[in-house]
Amino acid sequence: QQQVKQSPQSLIVQKGGISIINCAYENTAFDYFPWYQQFPGKGPALLIAIRPDVSEKKEGRFTISFNKSAKQFSLHIMDSQPGDSATYFCAASRQNYGQNFVFGPGTRLSVLP
Amino acid sequence: DSGVTQTPKHLITATGQRVTLRCSPRSGDLSVYWYQQSLDQGLQFLIQYYNGEERAKGNILERFSAQQFPDLHSELNLSSLELGDSALYFCASSLGLDDTIYFGEGSWLTVV
Repeated sequence: QQQVKQSPQSLIVQKGGISIINCAYENTAFDYFPWYQQFPGKGPALLIAIRPDVSEKKEGRFTISFNKSAKQFSLHIMDSQPGDSATYFCAASRQNYGQNFVFGPGTRLSVLP
Repeated sequence: DSGVTQTPKHLITATGQRVTLRCSPRSGDLSVYWYQQSLDQGLQFLIQYYNGEERAKGNILERFSAQQFPDLHSELNLSSLELGDSALYFCASSLGLDDTIYFGEGSWLTVV
């Protein structure tokens, strides 16, 4: 019940295209859902996050869509750029319990020029 | 640069040995987290400290221990090392319990 599933494992997109990564969770106690971006040799960095009281959050080219009833959330990267090539992790945690995330297995995104 | 400093960056050691990984959180951050990243297990939460006290435990082995010192830096001690302990160990910090956490660049541990 603690698991967060993520797909696809890897994704190749042309420059300017839309990248979509999906995640699903089981534990309904989770109430904070961040996405982290990790470049090789670096630690994960927060990209965008959502709480279940909203169904969508947009920051620049990055959008999280959240479906509480389906227990699913997704990351959309619009106008994907080669600089977006990285590994993306979805995660989940419970508010007031600290940022003790359960991470998805990650998606390696490659954006071709 | 996240402001979280981890040392050493790379470490190679033999099975059965003990190592200590060190973390200096961002200035002012009270909470420190340790995560392990490996190919087979992915990113896993190990343990969290807040202002010197253990706050939460995740999938941390009994052979592993951690502490947060009065100056807020933290150490992760790994003992009786096994080949399967080879991984990238991240420290992260946050101002408070529910604030954004910032990861360091990690300590690569290779057990041979």
